[in-house]
Amino acid sequence: LAKTTQPISMDSYEGQEVNITCSHNNIATNDYITWYQQFPSQGPRFIIQGYKTKVTNEVASLFIPADRKSSTLSLPRVSLSDTAVYYCLVSRDDKIIFGKGTRLHILP
Amino acid sequence: DTAVSQTPKYLVTQMGNDKSIKCEQNLGHDTMYWYKQDSKKFLKIMFSYNNKELIINETVPNRFSPKSPDKAHLNLHINSLELGDSAVYFCASSQTGTGIMNTEAFFGQGTRLTVV
Repeated sequence: LAKTTQPISMDSYEGQEVNITCSHNNIATNDYITWYQQFPSQGPRFIIQGYKTKVTNEVASLFIPADRKSSTLSLPRVSLSDTAVYYCLVSRDDKIIFGKGTRLHILP
Repeated sequence: DTAVSQTPKYLVTQMGNDKSIKCEQNLGHDTMYWYKQDSKKFLKIMFSYNNKELIINETVPNRFSPKSPDKAHLNLHINSLELGDSAVYFCASSQTGTGIMNTEAFFGQGTRLTVV
């Protein structure tokens, strides 16, 4: 599976839009891009998944350019409760391999 | 009704002991996983079971043995526990698709294992 690279940490303020970018240069044709969120003392939770272009759900948007070598998770109007670790994964079928994640810290 | 449940939530034990962590999912998924999250918060996959068949074993010591009595359960047995086994262990499940389909994984709340 392709290796993913994302910022180790980010800070933002309540009410801001937060964009976390992940690079996956060696993504394969069969790979999907998936993002998970993990709060302290909890298991990771699925946020969003996409293959190409843009995907939006009630929580976030995922932007994937045509070459699929990167993706951007967009969290609209974050709140303090969005402070968590966000993992970008390139996954295929049952191979769900986590990278190091981005620690997002939301400030008041 | 919890989708993926693990027991116990906390486990403190002495070096050299043998212990088990149980996992059950009620989602009807065909694949279950065990992950280890160490003190640096890295999530590493340990095992994956699809329809009771082991399909991933990521360089885990053979002191760790997954046991799947049926599709809804994947237990983790650990022999001769060592200090370095202290971590949070997460169970997860997903329904794998065919071709290039991919589905989300659901995680349990984790078991914090402390070896003293």
